[in-house]
Amino acid sequence: GDSVTQTEGPVTVSESESLIINCTYSATSIAYPNLFWYVRYPGEGLQLLLKVITAGQKGSSRGFEATYNKETTSFHLQKASVQESDSAVYYCALASNSNNRIFFGDGTQLVVKP
Amino acid sequence: EAAVTQSPRSKVAVTGGKVTLSCHQTNNHDYMYWYRQDTGHGLRLIHYSYVADSTEKGDIPDGYKASRPSQENFSLILELASLSQTAVYFCASGTAETEQFFGPGTRLTVL
Repeated sequence: GDSVTQTEGPVTVSESESLIINCTYSATSIAYPNLFWYVRYPGEGLQLLLKVITAGQKGSSRGFEATYNKETTSFHLQKASVQESDSAVYYCALASNSNNRIFFGDGTQLVVKP
Repeated sequence: EAAVTQSPRSKVAVTGGKVTLSCHQTNNHDYMYWYRQDTGHGLRLIHYSYVADSTEKGDIPDGYKASRPSQENFSLILELASLSQTAVYFCASGTAETEQFFGPGTRLTVL
């Protein structure tokens, strides 16, 4: 079936350092699924951070970037310089072509130290 | 402003009791979903719906029922709550382009 595997947290990074959270996917229901990164800030629901629907393309938002690599089936999340306000849980996800279902990774908690 | 709201935001229930979690969306979306999240795990799909008056089973439907009386409302019902159903529950609505919009979550504790 469809699944997503991502870096196990927590990931602790100092402010202004760079970040990478790894994500790899397996899609059996669709050759090129839509890929997403969602973020959950403390006390809030998940919100979309970025999405990419075309293989080979890069998505970006709030200083975060992720490139859809169909060769390695990866969609790693990167940021050059994190801020304390980036502390949250990040979820990689893919969309199946079956009834608009989305499959989520287990989430990676990011802790940014001041 | 379009949104997904959930009620209650937090609930304590007793084992064997009935619990109803409610979700309301103003996004005019056809699809609605119920997920649960356990500490250290991702979101798992319980039930979903793509049209009013119809619901579908997700990956972990056992012990849960769902009701979609209108496009805007989607409820999750635990007829006999159990300790194992302690979790955070998220409702979401979505479009044909598959992006989903989430509510703030309901923290359910079953004692």
